Order: sequence, then C-alpha cells, then structure tokens
Amino acid sequence: SQQGEEDPQALSIQEGENATMNCSYKTSINNLQWYRQNSGRGLVHLILIRSNEREKHSGRLRVTLDTSKKSSSLLITASRAADTASYFCATDDVAGGSYIPTFGRGTSLIVHP
Amino acid sequence: NAGVTQTPKFQVLKTGQSMTLQCAQDMNHNSMYWYRQDPGMGLRLIYYSASEGTTDKGEVPNGYNVSRLNKREFSLRLESAAPSQTSVYFCASRLDRPSLSGANVLTFGAGSRLTVL
Repeated sequence: SQQGEEDPQALSIQEGENATMNCSYKTSINNLQWYRQNSGRGLVHLILIRSNEREKHSGRLRVTLDTSKKSSSLLITASRAADTASYFCATDDVAGGSYIPTFGRGTSLIVHP
Repeated sequence: NAGVTQTPKFQVLKTGQSMTLQCAQDMNHNSMYWYRQDPGMGLRLIYYSASEGTTDKGEVPNGYNVSRLNKREFSLRLESAAPSQTSVYFCASRLDRPSLSGANVLTFGAGSRLTVL
C-alpha cells in the first residue's frame, strides 16, 4: 500500500511564485524524503527530514514535518521554469525487519515562464 | 559515473514472451529495489533485496521474479509477459544503514520502458 499521499495532484503556477506541495502518511516514520522526477527520467533525491526535525532548508527548498498530523510540506520558493517536474514524498514502511521505501502518487508541478 | 544502470531502456514484447531487466549499481549499496510506475499510480514496489542473497515481495509481485546475483546486480524477470505489465520500471538502491546520515537515500536508474502487445 502507498504510505504517502501528495496533495495537490497537479499544480500550475507562474515563474517567480512559490509552490507548496503536501504529503500525508499513515504510520510512524523514521524519516520522510522528497524526490523529484523530470519527464522521462528517474527520481532524484531532494531532501530528507528526520522524525525529530520540524523544518529543514536546502537552497530554495523548505520542508516541514508535523508528526502529530502525519504530514509534511515541500515549499519551492521563487520557482523557475526548470522546476517543472513531478514531486514525490517517500517514507519507510516496516516489513519483516526491513525498512521499505514507499512512495505517494506525486504532485505534477508546471511552472510557466 | 557512479550510479544505477538499467538495461534495456526500451523493450516491446508480445504477450507470452519472456525477458529480463538488468540492474547494476557501483556504490556498494546493500539494498536494491524494483518499482513500476504507471500513470496516476506513483511508484509501486515489485520486489526488493535487503542484502545479497535475500529477496522479498513488495506490493505488486505477481508475474515477476527476481535474482540478486551478487551485491552489485539485481535482475527482474517477466516469465510470460501480459499487457498489464506495460509500464516504466525503475531500479533503485541505497546503503540502508539507518544510523548513518544519508544512508536511507535512494539512487534511481533512468528507467526501462516496457510495452507488451
């Protein structure tokens, strides 16, 4: 089953605006990760936030984590056309003693120049 | 360049044919994964291997088999392809040591687009 679910499914904004995507998950986590996928390519890791962290920054990316609400958000500030991609959150499900990375369905972001 | 290499990038099969998707990583990662990606479904785990010599089923294993040939290589086999297996397949790997910073981060291959007619 898919642990994380992103919201919205699709987002269309103008260059320079901020983009916010949300992720909800179901069970306890050790960490939550965000990945980016350009059209026709593999996923690329953006940022990891641990369960004991509430906010993390990396360049124009800001991730928050609220473990009480089982949710996370990814904010891309001052978006650029090159940010057009799909964004996925991922968490680790525990199965048979292993941690299994599980992805949501993703948010498709289009940034218009 | 270090990373995950998948072959082939594209493949067209007829129903009932068999094929193997190959995956190799050169980062000395312990865990390897096969996902499929279908429109609107995100990534769904087919099989994974937490260490050399072990494999386990994921969310959607039916119709697939895997082999962890050694620490570097993890192959996915379709014994009798069906149109429902038309998808983009991704191999991924990670070090998988929760105590190490960054060890949970997945590295993905570029994907293999499979069409079953």
